[in-house]
Amino acid sequence: DVKVTQSSRYLVKRTGEKVFLECVQDMDHENMFWYRQDPGLGLRLIYFSYDVKMKEKGDIPEGYSVSREKKERFSLILESASTNQTSMYLCASSPPAYNQPQHFGDGTRLSIL
Amino acid sequence: QKEVEQNSGPLSVPEGAIASLNCTYSDRGSQSFFWYRQYSGKSPELIMSIYSNGDKEDGRFTAQLNKASQYVSLLIRDSQPSDSATYLCAVFNNFNKFYFGSGTKLNVKP
Repeated sequence: DVKVTQSSRYLVKRTGEKVFLECVQDMDHENMFWYRQDPGLGLRLIYFSYDVKMKEKGDIPEGYSVSREKKERFSLILESASTNQTSMYLCASSPPAYNQPQHFGDGTRLSIL
Repeated sequence: QKEVEQNSGPLSVPEGAIASLNCTYSDRGSQSFFWYRQYSGKSPELIMSIYSNGDKEDGRFTAQLNKASQYVSLLIRDSQPSDSATYLCAVFNNFNKFYFGSGTKLNVKP
């Protein structure tokens, strides 16, 4: 089974802090994704990566950056956390083949105070 | 127009009934279609994949795809209270983009 591990289930940070969310997958997947999910807004793609050191902006990249130095690890960085970034953050991975689904980690519920 | 549209619900069905969840998509060239189940406070988990027109059955779940109508559905037979969750439809389109619908909330009443 695919295992996608997010470093924290719950995280509380303060406004203005730099926040790191980590994601590791164990299936040698090329593609990795970061989403946020808010009530009534569904899943929104923040960034994705299709290879080491490669990244693409998703639908809502503002206020976020990412890092992918190793194939198995994809980090999401909130440069200066704000209260409107309080959300559930979900990491996913998939192989590059078109017919393969994404597999999700357990999610990180992030609160910015 | 959204890439993937779902009725947000909630859809309420009695225990033992058939639940029918529907999804439409905008890109006619879409290639792959997936259904995810998401319990409250949890992450989405894959329950079905379908790639060609027709029906695909897996236990109590049947996915149906009609590419001409750009329509994909999920039927849950003998619905159980444990099936109560939000069901997300996902589509991999012709531009190598993966899109999720906003989900349909299903309530199965004992």
